[in-house]
Amino acid sequence: KAGVTQTPRYLIKTRGQQVTLSCSPISGHRSVSWYQQTPGQGLQFLFEYFSETQRNKGNFPGRFSGRQFSNSRSEMNVSTLELGDSALYLCASSLGGPTSYEQYFGPGTRLTVT
Amino acid sequence: LAKTTQPISMDSYEGQEVNITCSHNNIATNDYITWYQQFPSQGPRFIIQGYKTKVTNEVASLFIPADRKSSTLSLPRVSLSDTAVYYCLVGAFNQAGTALIFGKGTTLSVSS
Repeated sequence: KAGVTQTPRYLIKTRGQQVTLSCSPISGHRSVSWYQQTPGQGLQFLFEYFSETQRNKGNFPGRFSGRQFSNSRSEMNVSTLELGDSALYLCASSLGGPTSYEQYFGPGTRLTVT
Repeated sequence: LAKTTQPISMDSYEGQEVNITCSHNNIATNDYITWYQQFPSQGPRFIIQGYKTKVTNEVASLFIPADRKSSTLSLPRVSLSDTAVYYCLVGAFNQAGTALIFGKGTTLSVSS
């Protein structure tokens, strides 16, 4: 079974621009979560989508948004990029049921904001 | 999710057994304990999950005492490839979804 895929793997943007990252979950998984990882703050939860609805949200400003499509693929958008948004953005998928904390992570998208 | 405390780092040699202890004094009755492993520039990987006593899989064992205020991840006979950051997470399942809250983790360094 194919794993979680994220595109692009690397991205360089300029401050003030916006960016869209894509995540394709494992087939059959209905939950997709997004995380930001930086050396200073570690791994931080952004939001989770389940059946096209945002089910959970972390403590990030409104510049960070996401959506999920009917095929469970998800996109994350960051508008008005700031230097501090440089990070590894990870997507994770799971079946979505309330039975396990087992999530499957993708390789991440490395975003650099200059 | 309950707050967890783990050692910042640990060192070991190849072939040794490594035990990483996680403290979670405020664990709730419905909380489960989950461990993840992360290699540099990769996403975390689920290792093991448990509620009480002992859980074992092909990768590791998880020991949870009766009071559940701590847990120990045991990695038998580590190799260089086990060098990674290990995260302990504690929380309950619910219909509101699964938001994994990661702490700082334990950086395990295995030497030859």
